Amino acid sequence: GESVGLHLPTLSVQEGDNSIINCAYSNSASDYFIWYKQESGKGPQFIIDIRSNMDKRQGQRVTVLLNKTVKHLSLQIAATQPGDSAVYFCAENMRGAGNMLTFGGGTRLMVKP
Amino acid sequence: NAGVTQTPKFRVLKTGQSMTLLCAQDMNHEYMYWYRQDPGMGLRLIHYSVGEGTTAKGEVPDGYNVSRLKKQNFLLGLESAAPSQTSVYFCASSYLSFGGYGYTFGSGTRLTVV
Repeated sequence: GESVGLHLPTLSVQEGDNSIINCAYSNSASDYFIWYKQESGKGPQFIIDIRSNMDKRQGQRVTVLLNKTVKHLSLQIAATQPGDSAVYFCAENMRGAGNMLTFGGGTRLMVKP
Repeated sequence: NAGVTQTPKFRVLKTGQSMTLLCAQDMNHEYMYWYRQDPGMGLRLIHYSVGEGTTAKGEVPDGYNVSRLKKQNFLLGLESAAPSQTSVYFCASSYLSFGGYGYTFGSGTRLTVV
């Protein structure tokens, strides 16, 4: 499997519990944010995005919260399942930077059955 | 409906050897990118392209070259591989419009330089 993520912060949750993964972004001029999920041996996969004119956006079992005051982004996963086990990355896009994304370091989510 | 395809998936090189990684996308995306991913770190942008015939440097471009001769292909070259280039390489493509949808990533190439 992938060696990526050996030194990543890890969140361990029980199956069925809710998970909250946090991300501090760096640039106050960033106005578009994305959460990605990366399973072992695969490329990152889009989960949900949010623009800076919003503070909350919901998807299927996932919610992203944005706090621009403290430059903080969180991903909430409801009723976490074993299939949610992966590394999760946030990414930010700054206005004027075209479609360039800057990625955070990632958090490993481990779901215990 | 292949999306983004990277070849090869695995490669072992000796120090000083050269190689080219191929990325192909079938979504008619204007933007294409090459990232590297090292243990404990997020993806770092090596080079990118905003359209056929254009390339630009990203965050960590040294030791790599790229070409975008066709819109659907983006090649990453290592002229003289070094152990520090051992990494997992991801290609991605995206729509042109700013603030649009997220990228589509390939499945990665694991490169080991010995």
